[in-house]
Amino acid sequence: EAQVTQNPRYLITVTGKKLTVTCSQNMNHEYMSWYRQDPGLGLRQIYYSMNVEVTDKGDVPEGYKVSRKEKRNFPLILESPSPNQTSLYFCASSFSAQGRNEAFFGQGTRLTVV
Amino acid sequence: GENVEQHPSTLSVQEGDSAVIKCTYSDSASNYFPWYKQELGKRPQLIIDIRSNVGEKKDQRIAVTLNKTAKHFSLHITETQPEDSAVYFCAASSEAGSYQLTFGKGTKLSVIP
Repeated sequence: EAQVTQNPRYLITVTGKKLTVTCSQNMNHEYMSWYRQDPGLGLRQIYYSMNVEVTDKGDVPEGYKVSRKEKRNFPLILESPSPNQTSLYFCASSFSAQGRNEAFFGQGTRLTVV
Repeated sequence: GENVEQHPSTLSVQEGDSAVIKCTYSDSASNYFPWYKQELGKRPQLIIDIRSNVGEKKDQRIAVTLNKTAKHFSLHITETQPEDSAVYFCAASSEAGSYQLTFGKGTKLSVIP
């Protein structure tokens, strides 16, 4: 089954404790991205990657890191989480070819930083 | 960069009525405009999209229109049903560039039985 898988689904952590949210897709998509969703603010892009070893900042990259060592994986790293990073996070992937770039989303990760 | 404005932020309609959600975008290079539906507690899922070479696209009760000159596009849902209740997001991107999707802030649609 074609899918984007995020882990964990729920996470409660303390300020300053490094964490990683994993994202994996099995559709051979070139393009992957991370969004955070906050009430009233919609989906805001954190980082995106157009292919292996190619990453770039989105609209709200501060406090986050990403890596793209393999085509299927795109982990989101919070080196020193703070309470303002409490949010619902979505990973998404798509082909980066004209006419084929429907974005598929993971199930979401609800992060709480206390 | 691209800026997408979406209105209204909330919309309540009676079952069977039509619902219209409107979005405007700022970047004239944008040429791909998808709409996503997010049910409570679930991930956003694509329901319809349109590219700049067409002005309208329909899929059963859902239609999207695009006015490139005015830089706005709209989602139309006819004969609304309770299962249409969800948050709807519009988005815009350029297929000639980074394929970066910029989303509107969302519209919470409530269909009252």
